[in-house]
Amino acid sequence: AQSVTQPDIHITVSEGASLELRCNYSYGATPYLFWYVQSPGQGLQLLLKYFSGDTLVQGIKGFEAEFKRSQSSFNLRKPSVHWSDAAEYFCAVGASGSARQLTFGSGTQLTVLP
Amino acid sequence: ETGVTQTPRHLVMGMTNKKSLKCEQHLGHNAMYWYKQSAKKPLELMFVYSLEERVENNSVPSRFSPECPNSSHLFLHLHTLQPEDSALYLCASSQEAFASTDTQYFGPGTRLTVL
Repeated sequence: AQSVTQPDIHITVSEGASLELRCNYSYGATPYLFWYVQSPGQGLQLLLKYFSGDTLVQGIKGFEAEFKRSQSSFNLRKPSVHWSDAAEYFCAVGASGSARQLTFGSGTQLTVLP
Repeated sequence: ETGVTQTPRHLVMGMTNKKSLKCEQHLGHNAMYWYKQSAKKPLELMFVYSLEERVENNSVPSRFSPECPNSSHLFLHLHTLQPEDSALYLCASSQEAFASTDTQYFGPGTRLTVL
């Protein structure tokens, strides 16, 4: 069975600073990887996804993520954080053969300082 | 209305009450999901429906009873809940339940409090 680890429970950055949120997965075959964002009181919104091809994936709101098979990682990055990026971020991995087998990490809460 | 909608957004109920959560998707998808999101825990998949047929039930207690009358609507019927069932209940949909490259789209959730 697959698993996802988000090592950082809470991250604080200043507005305008760069951001990197870590995600490590465990899965025996090629994973399907997702990053979602959840604002307070809201559902999850898809930021980006990786299925195959170019290992650097561009998403919405200026986010990108890089798939590194050798490190079993799929870290999310943004060069300059905006106050509106404050939210909780979830990494998820899907098993090949079934979209329903989507396993989520525990999430990273992002605080943005003015 | 677009995307995935859920009603009510907030619900407070006693342990002896019976209530239902409703989810509707306007995306033309064939699969729908219920998740439970508790504080400090990863999202837990509860149920999956594909073309109105339940295809996944992750050891969920019988006090939670799902219903999928058609591919656009999904209900979660609640009865004799426990305080530990208090959580955010999220509904999601995807084009197919069995396509490995499919993407799930989420509703805003129902915040449930059991007294």
